[in-house]
Amino acid sequence: SQTIHQWPATLVQPVGSPLSLECTVEGTSNPNLYWYRQAAGRGLQLLFYSVGIGQISSEVPQNLSASRPQDRQFILSSKKLLLSDSGFYLCAWSGDWDSGGYTFGSGTRLTVV
Amino acid sequence: QKEVEQNSGPLSVPEGAIASLNCTYSDRGSQSFFWYRQYSGKSPELIMSIYSNGDKEDGRFTAQLNKASQYVSLLIRDSQPSDSATYLCAVKSGAAGNKLTFGGGTRVLVKP
Repeated sequence: SQTIHQWPATLVQPVGSPLSLECTVEGTSNPNLYWYRQAAGRGLQLLFYSVGIGQISSEVPQNLSASRPQDRQFILSSKKLLLSDSGFYLCAWSGDWDSGGYTFGSGTRLTVV
Repeated sequence: QKEVEQNSGPLSVPEGAIASLNCTYSDRGSQSFFWYRQYSGKSPELIMSIYSNGDKEDGRFTAQLNKASQYVSLLIRDSQPSDSATYLCAVKSGAAGNKLTFGGGTRVLVKP
């Protein structure tokens, strides 16, 4: 069966510090991968998605970047965090071959102080 | 205009009653529709998917889709306190990457 791992679960970082969040998927190949952010009390905002290694599409211009160095690995990064980067970051995957919904990782709660 | 709209709630229902959640979407070409449940501090969990007009039932949940009206709903029968959560409506456009667009969610409170 397929599983998705996301870490760390919580993170407190000072303004101006770098960020690296990692997500890996097991039990499938060539998944579509997604990074979402959820601000407190808000809906999910799609940040990046990837349909293959090295293929990244950005949905919202901002202080973040994403990379997919391996088929089942998706990384979200920032060189310098802003206070507005605080939120709940969710990685998700879906099969390219079906029209089904996404499966989400457990999320990372990021607080920028 | 938001692409997927939901009433933010909270929707307060007594235990054992039916909770009715609504969602409208703007992309007429949308083909796939989903309901997620999100408990506070947790990640969303897929509870229902629907692809064609009409009703789809799964246990205490019924999803209803009307593509002509661009409307999808979720009914929760015999509501339990454990159903208290935020319910997210999501719509897939079929465009590159099979992107899901989410509504802002409806918070449901089931009171014993």
